[in-house]
Amino acid sequence: DGGITQSPKYLFRKEGQNVTLSCEQNLNHDAMYWYRQDPGQGLRLIYYSQIVNDFQKGDIAEGYSVSREKKESFPLTVTSAQKNPTAFYLCASSISDNYEQYFGPGTRLTVT
Amino acid sequence: GQQVMQIPQYQHVQEGEDFTTYCNSSTTLSNIQWYKQRPGGHPVFLIQLVKSGEVKKQKRLTFQFGEAKKNSSLHITATQTTDVGTYFCAGPADAGNMLTFGGGTRLMVKP
Repeated sequence: DGGITQSPKYLFRKEGQNVTLSCEQNLNHDAMYWYRQDPGQGLRLIYYSQIVNDFQKGDIAEGYSVSREKKESFPLTVTSAQKNPTAFYLCASSISDNYEQYFGPGTRLTVT
Repeated sequence: GQQVMQIPQYQHVQEGEDFTTYCNSSTTLSNIQWYKQRPGGHPVFLIQLVKSGEVKKQKRLTFQFGEAKKNSSLHITATQTTDVGTYFCAGPADAGNMLTFGGGTRLMVKP
């Protein structure tokens, strides 16, 4: 059963803590992405990776970090430097950039 | 940088009425993609348009790509409650660029 998974679905953290969101895909896609979505808003690109061991900043990378050590995995760390971390985080993958993106179910992060 | 705008932001319709959302880019697009996000869900790819002036249909949904490749529209005929959700357009400025998503149009359908 091919697809893209994110865990956990809901995550609660105290302010000042770093937290890592998981994203795994078994679609054999080269490109992976992280988006942030705030209530009633569109998708804003945080980071993207077009190939293993390489990634680039998106529009709102400050306070976030990523790694791409394996083709299947693209974890996102929300650091304590992120001023407003509470949001819905979506991971996506595609065969290559410019192609249709497949999204995971998302992680709702709440920081208090 | 590239901007992709969608109007309207919200639309309430009575079931059976038609619905249209419009997408406008500040730069020429190599292609335009449309996604649907159900309430509480994640975006799901609907379609991609590549050619200038292209029109594609999926049952009650009609997608158009403008002649100048800077705008697009999604038209739903005779809406149903299953059409409820937010519709996003997205496009790269040039081949190889990352997708820029519009702000989305949230469709609400009254039964």
